[in-house]
Amino acid sequence: QSALTQPASVSGSPGQSITISCTGTSSDVGGYNYVSWYQQHPGKAPKLMIYDVSNRPSGVSNRFSGSKSGNTASLTISGLQAEDEADYYCSLYLSSSTLYVFGTGTKVTVL
Amino acid sequence: EVQLLESGGGLVQPGGSLRLSCAASGFTFSSYTMNWVRQAPGKGLEWVSRISGSGGTTYYADTVTGRITVSRDNYKTTLYLQMNNLRAEDTAVYYCAKGNREMTATTFDFWGQGTLVTVSS
Repeated sequence: QSALTQPASVSGSPGQSITISCTGTSSDVGGYNYVSWYQQHPGKAPKLMIYDVSNRPSGVSNRFSGSKSGNTASLTISGLQAEDEADYYCSLYLSSSTLYVFGTGTKVTVL
Repeated sequence: EVQLLESGGGLVQPGGSLRLSCAASGFTFSSYTMNWVRQAPGKGLEWVSRISGSGGTTYYADTVTGRITVSRDNYKTTLYLQMNNLRAEDTAVYYCAKGNREMTATTFDFWGQGTLVTVSS
């Protein structure tokens, strides 16, 4: 199972909206509704932002939203803030021998 | 408040062994799957292993199968990772991550701060 494909970097100005994609195939992203998104600041542990495609854990800002269309899942950050600058990873639960696969990661820069 | 605290990392020679621990608190430990996820320096995240709440079912990534064993002590609320025959490519920060369910956890809802394992001569 290969890593899911994310853009290496995405940038935006404060207040803007950005979208990070997570692309797989019909055998992974396209076949399962178990996509999660994690935020990781430098030197820190990942933090769950979205699970099961579009669910937000308690305490996560509603500026973060998730969706999926076909073989691509997306994370949208609205009203971009300086504190959103971090690395973002998607992941997928496969319920196969390789239970979980992560995306390649995206560095978000707030201009 | 959920807390996960890893320990046991360090410098080990190729072919050596190491045992990582993750002390958990703030939730009913035996009711959730637990995982190990690693991150090589400057690289992305890689799932390593999962164990069910009871400890009866385990899964491993292909890259570590046969060299790594995950276990848990539900009385001590502690997760373990026994790593043998370590290779340079096992060098990474190892995170303990809580699953969101007892069996078919679809996500990792809480993470520890990680412990660094360096495999080098």
